[in-house]
Amino acid sequence: NAGVTQTPKFRVLKTGQSMTLLCAQDMNHEYMYWYRQDPGMGLRLIHYSVGEGTTAKGEVPDGYNVSRLKKQNFLLGLESAAPSQTSVYFCASSTPWGGPFRGNEQFFGPGTRLTVL
Amino acid sequence: AQTVTQSQPEMSVQEAETVTLSCTYDTSESDYYLFWYKQPPSRQMILVIRQEAYKQQNATENRFSVNFQKAAKSFSLKISDSQLGDAAMYFCAYRSTSGTYKYIFGTGTRLKVLA
Repeated sequence: NAGVTQTPKFRVLKTGQSMTLLCAQDMNHEYMYWYRQDPGMGLRLIHYSVGEGTTAKGEVPDGYNVSRLKKQNFLLGLESAAPSQTSVYFCASSTPWGGPFRGNEQFFGPGTRLTVL
Repeated sequence: AQTVTQSQPEMSVQEAETVTLSCTYDTSESDYYLFWYKQPPSRQMILVIRQEAYKQQNATENRFSVNFQKAAKSFSLKISDSQLGDAAMYFCAYRSTSGTYKYIFGTGTRLKVLA
């Protein structure tokens, strides 16, 4: 199993450009998440999804959109990139909460380093 | 709202020695899970250890163990016999069992292992 994969691994954008980050998981997880990691701020949740066709806002959703058209994929879009969106982006997936899945951890992708000039 | 605090931005330890990383959290809930994740230079986050709040016994995974103090809302990670491969950023995380789907992460502690 590949686990959680992210495409691309690195990207440089100019201010105002758009792009989409792709996350794929092969563990049949219901829940998927997008985080950004900035120095001294840990991981902050951007958006998350609890199932195919559903998404919800996290802690820092402004400037980002997401879609979960297929269970295994979770896309993060930047419509008009800004320098403040320079960061490392992580995708994660997990089983649902409850029952035998209590306490299950998140599985993370390798991250995408995005620089916006 | 729950919060997770890691007050040590950076720690150093000599190879083969023991080091303890601190984590405190704030919650009004009684049922939750706590996790320690490791992020090596490769950036891939890996689960190190987890603790269920209702279990009094501290979790242990080989050289990694926790000191879970529920009343004090403290969850420290002890690494024994430190190895060069332990050098990484370590994140403490909290997850409620009340229905929220979110994990809350601390800001991380960078561990350096000195040869």
